[in-house]
Amino acid sequence: AQSVAQPEDQVNVAEGNPLTVKCTYSVSGNPYLFWYVQYPNRGLQFLLKYITGDNLVKGSYGFEAEFNKSQTSFHLKKPSALVSDSALYFCAVRDISGGKLIFGQGTELSVKP
Amino acid sequence: ETGVTQSPTHLIKTRGQQVTLRCSSQSGHNTVSWYQQALGQGPQFIFQYYREEENGRGNFPPRFSGLQFPNYSSELNVNALELDDSALYLCASSLRDTNTEAFFGQGTRLTVV
Repeated sequence: AQSVAQPEDQVNVAEGNPLTVKCTYSVSGNPYLFWYVQYPNRGLQFLLKYITGDNLVKGSYGFEAEFNKSQTSFHLKKPSALVSDSALYFCAVRDISGGKLIFGQGTELSVKP
Repeated sequence: ETGVTQSPTHLIKTRGQQVTLRCSSQSGHNTVSWYQQALGQGPQFIFQYYREEENGRGNFPPRFSGLQFPNYSSELNVNALELDDSALYLCASSLRDTNTEAFFGQGTRLTVV
């Protein structure tokens, strides 16, 4: 069965410092991986995806993610965090059979001034 | 903001009642998926509709049902509401058989009392 794990419930970062939100996955076949962000009482907003190609994927708002096949990881990164990046972040994998998304439990990112 | 809209945004129902949630897809998208997000959890896949037919279902009982209309909009119906049905319900639209990402609406917050 396909699955996604986000090992950290919360990540705390000082503004201006680099941030990393971790994600590992388990799939059969090639993974289609996504990162979404959720602000309070809002829906999910797409950040970036990995389908194929370069292992470093660039997305919205300065975020990027590194796909590592050997470690089955897809960590979200940003070189310099902003207070406005504080939100809930979800990693997801697309199920190969029907297109549904399988989400991790989410990681709450808190960026302090 | 995505082109996916959901209504209503908030809803309070009594246990045992029935509820209908609505979703308008992003223009050009032909597939609609529904997710349930309980507090502190990642979204869980309920079902997906393509060409007005259910095309995949998660681990939800039959009292969760849906419809997709010719204009690709969709409804989620829940009968015999239970307290545990209290959650944020998210609609996502996508284009089937492509590598494009799903776009989510802002969600409907359902509270069952």
